[in-house]
Amino acid sequence: DSGVTQTPKHLITATGQRVTLRCSPRSGDLSVYWYQQSLDQGLQFLIQYYNGEERAKGNILERFSAQQFPDLHSELNLSSLELGDSALYFCASSVTESSTDTQYFGPGTRLTVL
Amino acid sequence: DAKTTQPPSMDCAEGRAANLPCNHSTISGNEYVYWYRQIHSQGPQYIIHGLKNNETNEMASLIITEDRKSSTLILPHATLRDTAVYYCIVRVKEGGGNKLTFGTGTQLKVEL
Repeated sequence: DSGVTQTPKHLITATGQRVTLRCSPRSGDLSVYWYQQSLDQGLQFLIQYYNGEERAKGNILERFSAQQFPDLHSELNLSSLELGDSALYFCASSVTESSTDTQYFGPGTRLTVL
Repeated sequence: DAKTTQPPSMDCAEGRAANLPCNHSTISGNEYVYWYRQIHSQGPQYIIHGLKNNETNEMASLIITEDRKSSTLILPHATLRDTAVYYCIVRVKEGGGNKLTFGTGTQLKVEL
């Protein structure tokens, strides 16, 4: 158990819908990261937040957005969902935003878009 | 981040040492080598990391060659539960962002 929690575990929805994935970082961690893992793309970095502020962006679609709240939990919002958005979404956290801080991953949310 | 090359798959007998190689010939002096593993769609699990010295923890040992162009992750006594995809990742020490860039990894299969 990494100490990072994600809800829900599974999510099934239809195309065109909007969903919100939630992540609670390890106690004391200020930085949160979101990754997407699909069958054809592998594990890809989406976005990073540190203490409430966006710090880095990867290949995140404009239909996707995220935020980190004052209590440090984070939400990833996915809208106008397409079949290709079906994937595992992982959240990770680290103590600071240093590039050498170890990132610890949550168990993930499996999103299925029908 | 420097590119890494890993064999796509390896087999290991239970109880034997699993030695997983990683080539990172373009690594820079300020880049660390990190190892993660992913057991069947679970969240990636941190294993170990190092800069130039060999490292050991309760999970594994990391051997980095003197020229730092390659490394080996050693699981001393592999068990069936070590069956997973193992990712070798090179990260900059400072700057360069904090994302992890995952390659395709090595699928390790531990068998009886």
